[in-house]
Parts: sequence; structure tokens; C-alpha cells
Amino acid sequence: EAGVAQSPRYKIIEKRQSVAFWCNPISGHATLYWYQQILGQGPKLLIQFQNNGVVDDSQLPKDRFSAERLKGVDSTLKIQPAKLEDSAVYLCASSFPSPGRSSITYEQYFGPGTRLTVT
Amino acid sequence: KQEVTQIPAALSVPEGENLVLNCSFTDSAIYNLQWFRQDPGKGLTSLLLIQSSQREQTSGRLNASLDKSSGRSTLYIAASQPGDSATYLCAVPGGTSYGKLTFGQGTILTVHP
Repeated sequence: EAGVAQSPRYKIIEKRQSVAFWCNPISGHATLYWYQQILGQGPKLLIQFQNNGVVDDSQLPKDRFSAERLKGVDSTLKIQPAKLEDSAVYLCASSFPSPGRSSITYEQYFGPGTRLTVT
Repeated sequence: KQEVTQIPAALSVPEGENLVLNCSFTDSAIYNLQWFRQDPGKGLTSLLLIQSSQREQTSGRLNASLDKSSGRSTLYIAASQPGDSATYLCAVPGGTSYGKLTFGQGTILTVHP
């Protein structure tokens, strides 16, 4: 089974430029997440999709970040314009409900991430 | 608001030692808890997922326990090896949302030969 794919793996841009990241989740996974991980911290959720609808975007800086998931499969995350503090690793994850012993679990599977450096 | 804390922030041990990583969370109403491993420059690899009804899970040399009432989980690594060197993160789903994970800041583990 192929894992979560992300591209590019690395990106260096200057502040005020724009950038886009792409994610292809595991086939059949209905839920897709974008996380931002700043150096030395744990990942923080930016946006969560269920199929092609947004479930949670409460921590997405909407003045500069946007995301879409057309047709409920691939997703793109865009930053425009970028700031120095956007330097981080952007992780995409996907999940699908799997039966547990006494509850439904939603184990998440992560891609390799895109490391963004804003200079 | 769920908060997750991991102790210690960094740990350096000689090869062969048994070690314990700690994770605590403020809201005990969780559905499960997940432990991840992250190698430098890489994404997250899921190690163990403990459901709220379970007390522990084992995979090879790894054993994770969960005590919901006290808001704690531990990851026990037996007979550590240099290949275990990585950052270990714990995460719990936030509130009633099944998906959104709240992560700790991680424990950086270095196992030296």
C-alpha cells in the first residue's frame, strides 16, 4: 500500500513570495490533514478535510494561507505572501476509520513533509 | 483546551539501557493516544496507538501504557539501540473531534554506542 505522498520535499523562498505544497493521501482515506511543525515543537493542525469539505480550519491564518481538496483526493496548501515565521515543515496526513476493540479509531498516517525556508 | 506535555525534552543514554518517556495530557476525555517516531528531516511514523479502553500496547521492544484518570502515558523502550535515536512524540485527539491531534513537543532521544 502506497503511503502519503508530498511534494516538493524542500522549498526556499524569499519573504512576500508565494508557495504551494501538494499532498496525495492514501487511497480510500476520506480525511486529510495539514499540520505545521516549527523547529523544536510538535505539529499543529492547520486544516482538516473530510472528503472535499473543511471540518476544522480554526488555526489556519486565512489572511495568507489557503487550502483546497478538489474531488476529495489530492490537496494543495498555499501561502501568499510568505513571512519569515512560516519557516517550518508542512506535514500532510490521512486517515480512515478502522474498528478497534471497543471504539472507532482514526489512526493517522503521515507523509514525509515539505521543509519550507523563508529568507 | 487540550494540552500535551512530554518529559524529558531530551535524553542521552548508552546502548542497552531500558528507558521511559513520559507524556501527560490535561483533558482525560480522550478516545485514544498515539506515539510517533520522527527521524531528522522525515515525517512521522506511528509506533503505537492505545485506545481509551486499553491499559497498554506492545510492539517488539516498545511498550506504551495509558492511565486516563491521571492523564498520563509512558513509552518504555527495552534494550535501547543506536537506531532508536529519534524524536518521540505523543498525541491525543482533541475534544470531540475524532481526527485533530494535539501533540506534545517531543523527546529527543540519543542512544550512543
